[in-house]
Amino acid sequence: NAGVTQTPKFQVLKTGQSMTLQCAQDMNHNSMYWYRQDPGMGLRLIYYSASEGTTDKGEVPNGYNVSRLNKREFSLRLESAAPSQTSVYFCASSPWLSSGGTTYNEQFFGPGTRLTVL
Amino acid sequence: GENVEQHPSTLSVQEGDSAVIKCTYSDSASNYFPWYKQELGKGPQLIIDIRSNVGEKKDQRIAVTLNKTAKHFSLHITETQPEDSAVYFCAASPGTASKLTFGTGTRLQVTL
Repeated sequence: NAGVTQTPKFQVLKTGQSMTLQCAQDMNHNSMYWYRQDPGMGLRLIYYSASEGTTDKGEVPNGYNVSRLNKREFSLRLESAAPSQTSVYFCASSPWLSSGGTTYNEQFFGPGTRLTVL
Repeated sequence: GENVEQHPSTLSVQEGDSAVIKCTYSDSASNYFPWYKQELGKGPQLIIDIRSNVGEKKDQRIAVTLNKTAKHFSLHITETQPEDSAVYFCAASPGTASKLTFGTGTRLQVTL
């Protein structure tokens, strides 16, 4: 199993350009997530998809859109990139584990995409 | 919403010594507390987690403790080795799809 894969690994954009970050998982997980990581701020949730066909906003959704293409793939789109979107972007997936009637959100992360917006 | 605070932000220990990282959380509904290790240029990797029905969990050289009354949990690494050098993140979740809230990370450096 490749786990969670992301493309591209690196990208440089000019302000106003658009791009799509791709994410795929081969673990048959139901839930998928997009985070951004900035120095000193940890990981912040941008959007998530609890299951195929659903998407919801996270903590920092402004300037982004997402598409859950199928159970395996979850893409993140920047319509008009801004320098404030310079960051490392991580995709994650979760199988949703259940134990004793309670579910737990164990997440598996991809290797990340380093995006620079000039 | 949930707020997770993590301390210290940097930690330097000598090889063989122990390292302790502490986190506090605000939402009493949180019931799942994972710890992630992130090596340079890689994504975070789950190393251990604890659930609200236990107070301590151990896996070889790493252990986590949870105090639900005080709303804090800690990561303990014993007999540290150079390969333990990385950034460690704590997180908390109330068990729903959206809410895994991360701390701001601790950069651990193990020196020879």
